[in-house]
Amino acid sequence: ETGVTQSPTHLIKTRGQQVTLRCSSQSGHNTVSWYQQALGQGPQFIFQYYREEENGRGNFPPRFSGLQFPNYSSELNVNALELDDSALYLCASSPRTGGIGELFFGEGSRLTVL
Amino acid sequence: TQLLEQSPQFLSIQEGENLTVYCNSSSVFSSLQWYRQEPGEGPVLLVTVVTGGEVKKLKRLTFQFGDARKDSSLHITAAQPGDTGLYLCAGATSGTYKYIFGTGTRLKVLA
Repeated sequence: ETGVTQSPTHLIKTRGQQVTLRCSSQSGHNTVSWYQQALGQGPQFIFQYYREEENGRGNFPPRFSGLQFPNYSSELNVNALELDDSALYLCASSPRTGGIGELFFGEGSRLTVL
Repeated sequence: TQLLEQSPQFLSIQEGENLTVYCNSSSVFSSLQWYRQEPGEGPVLLVTVVTGGEVKKLKRLTFQFGDARKDSSLHITAAQPGDTGLYLCAGATSGTYKYIFGTGTRLKVLA
């Protein structure tokens, strides 16, 4: 069983640039959530995708956007990068069984904005 | 806004000692989970509690969900260096997978 994989693992961007982060969900999981984890903090919910549609959004501006594909993989796009966007971006997949879900996290993509 | 506060934020103890980490909120959660995260990795689920007053044990770790489902605790007995990591609690409201994470407790167990 393949776990959640994210790419790239590390990247450096400059202010104003755009970035795309990718996530392959665990086999059989149709729900993907994205979290931002600043250094020394707990993860903050960005948004969740289920069946290719955004299913909920946290307190993040519209320049944070996402996609989910038919194979349940997902992308997180951030436009007009700001210094405060520097963080570990975590993707988590879960099976949409209607019950209490466990989040299966990838190792994250560490973004540094200079 | 739902918030989960954890205490203490940092904890450095000697191998063999016991410790308790607390997770508190003013909100009611339908379920609460504890995760451990090691450097360079994503969080890994330790336990899920769903019933007020529920107690779960995982080897040397004991988890409790408050009667009102607003708070939880994690107790580690005879801590070992392998327990070192960032402990996170996360609460979910009914019918969603939108977890609210706590601020985290960074534990270091010294040999």
